[in-house]
Amino acid sequence: AQKITQTQPGMFVQEKEAVTLDCTYDTSDQSYGLFWYKQPSSGEMIFLIYQGSYDEQNATEGRYSLNFQKARKSANLVISASQLGDSAMYFCAMREAFSGGYNKLIFGAGTRLAVHP
Amino acid sequence: DAGITQSPRHKVTETGTPVTLRCHQTENHRYMYWYRQDPGHGLRLIHYSYGVKDTDKGEVSDGYSVSRSKTEDFLLTLESATSSQTSVYFCAIMDNRGGTDTQYFGPGTRLTVL
Repeated sequence: AQKITQTQPGMFVQEKEAVTLDCTYDTSDQSYGLFWYKQPSSGEMIFLIYQGSYDEQNATEGRYSLNFQKARKSANLVISASQLGDSAMYFCAMREAFSGGYNKLIFGAGTRLAVHP
Repeated sequence: DAGITQSPRHKVTETGTPVTLRCHQTENHRYMYWYRQDPGHGLRLIHYSYGVKDTDKGEVSDGYSVSRSKTEDFLLTLESATSSQTSVYFCAIMDNRGGTDTQYFGPGTRLTVL
């Protein structure tokens, strides 16, 4: 069964430094997608970045990049130049195909990031 | 902004009462989902819909039912609420434009069952 593991329950980083949030996944599918979401204290789930299993380059979106290592089944999120507003819970998720071809997401337990001034 | 609203945003109810949560979207997406979020579990899928009147169960569907009579509305019903259903409920749509099948979430409903 597909599974997402986030081994860091909590992380902290100094403002303006970079931070890496770990995510490993387990799947036997050849085609899959990996996502990162941010959940600030206000509670909404915000989509950050996507990586497809066939994408040869690492995804980037502004200060977010996804360090995709397919052989190691890891999809770490890198946040460059951390800002106070980056303090939040971060979830890694993987798109899994249901029977019948419909998609669902499975989520890791999350990493809480605190950015210190 | 994927145009997703949820109502109510907060609800307190008593054990044994029925509860219906509503998800409304404005962009005509075919796929809609209901998740619950509990500490230590991330989000877990309750039910999903792949079209009007087409729904199916997710991994934690016991005690929940859904209905979708219009493309824009996806309802989640707790027939007889229990304290174990105290949670934050998120609705999502899947946007399959661009080939990434990204899910976007509504603002969530915090439900407390006393």
